[in-house]
This record gives sequence, structure tokens and C-alpha cells, in this order.
Amino acid sequence: DAMVIQNPRYQVTQFGKPVTLSCSQTLNHNVMYWYQQKSSQAPKLLFHYYDKDFNNEADTPDNFQSRRPNTSFCFLDIRSPGLGDAAMYLCATSRSITSGSTEQFFGPGTRLTVL
Amino acid sequence: GENVEQHPSTLSVQEGDSAVIKCTYSDSASNYFPWYKQELGKRPQLIIDIRSNVGEKKDQRIAVTLNKTAKHFSLHITETQPEDSAVYFCAASPNTNAGKSTFGDGTTLTVKP
Repeated sequence: DAMVIQNPRYQVTQFGKPVTLSCSQTLNHNVMYWYQQKSSQAPKLLFHYYDKDFNNEADTPDNFQSRRPNTSFCFLDIRSPGLGDAAMYLCATSRSITSGSTEQFFGPGTRLTVL
Repeated sequence: GENVEQHPSTLSVQEGDSAVIKCTYSDSASNYFPWYKQELGKRPQLIIDIRSNVGEKKDQRIAVTLNKTAKHFSLHITETQPEDSAVYFCAASPNTNAGKSTFGDGTTLTVKP
């Protein structure tokens, strides 16, 4: 009964070669988040969608883009990956605060390697 | 924006002892404070959370306390077990629709058998 699914679990790409990471959810949550987590560090929020409204964090590089074609799916596009973009990418979902709970449910993550 | 500080960064305890992790936050608008446990190579998972209208919450061996005036909250784990070994993250979330959280830098807890 997987709730937040990420594909692929492991992605290897070459320096500068675009890559897309996928996230889907079966929870019907309004909000979807993308985090970047490097080794021994806290998850760093890149952006989030509240329904179709896109919210970018101020320090998210322009290299990172996102799409949410429907409630269930959200994509992270890295246009020209650099060596510094190698990390675990975590997708998470939550209800809106009006529901009374903003607990975030995380997917298993995609580990990105840049060669 | 919100700033969350977490201490200590590493914590080693003997099995059966208690462990305490402390966090402070800066934004008085934050009103939701979750704690996540992340085992090596796995996703963060919520273990307990607290809202600003509550001062303490307990779930078996885990408890969280919140001092909203001082803007700090703490995680308490009693009777620690080796399987409690993991990285623990605190977070603070403002009263906005999305409820996005700012994470602390994490505490690596090691429970020695």
C-alpha cells in the first residue's frame, strides 16, 4: 500500500545531461514538495505545489524545475546537472492546513549520481 | 524566514538511558513542530508532532515538549534501544496553507548495547 512513490530509486546521469525524477501519490494530498538531501545534512526544500500553485524557494537554482500535471503526479527536472547536484531527492506530500494536519509523508527518495 | 537550530549534532547513549534533543526556532508564527526519524538510506518518517496549543505530548517511550514563549521544543526518548539509533530531525511549520517545514540540521543518535 505504497503512498508516495518515487521513480527511479537510483538515477545515474552525465554532467550536463537533463534528467527527470518522478513522484506519485495515492493520498490525494493538496501539497507536494521536493527536497534535496545531501549526505549527513537535513532535507533542503527546493519548491512545493499547493494544488496547482507553484512555490519556489528563494535559493533554489534555476537549473531545477518542476511540473505537476495533476494531483497525483509531480516531476523534478534538472536541466543541466552538475557534480554538486548529486544527492538524494525526496518527494513529500501533505494535506492543506485547513484539514487540521500538515504531516508530511515522504517517498523513498531517488539517489542521483552525476558522472 | 524561519530558522531552526538543533542540538546536539551527535548523541551517544547506553541502552536503557534517556536521550534528549533540543531545537529552537525563530518565527513566532510557527505552530506545528514535527520530529522525523531517518534511518540510514531510508526516508524520514514522522515519529511525533506537537501543535502550539499543547505543551507536551507523549507516545509510549517518546515525548515532545514545547515552550512557545521561549521558542524551543525538545524530543525525549526514554529506555533507549539499539533500534532507536538513527538521525532525528526537528522541524517548524508556519500557519500557512501549505504547512511547509523548516528542518533542523539533525542529530545522529547512537544507542550502544
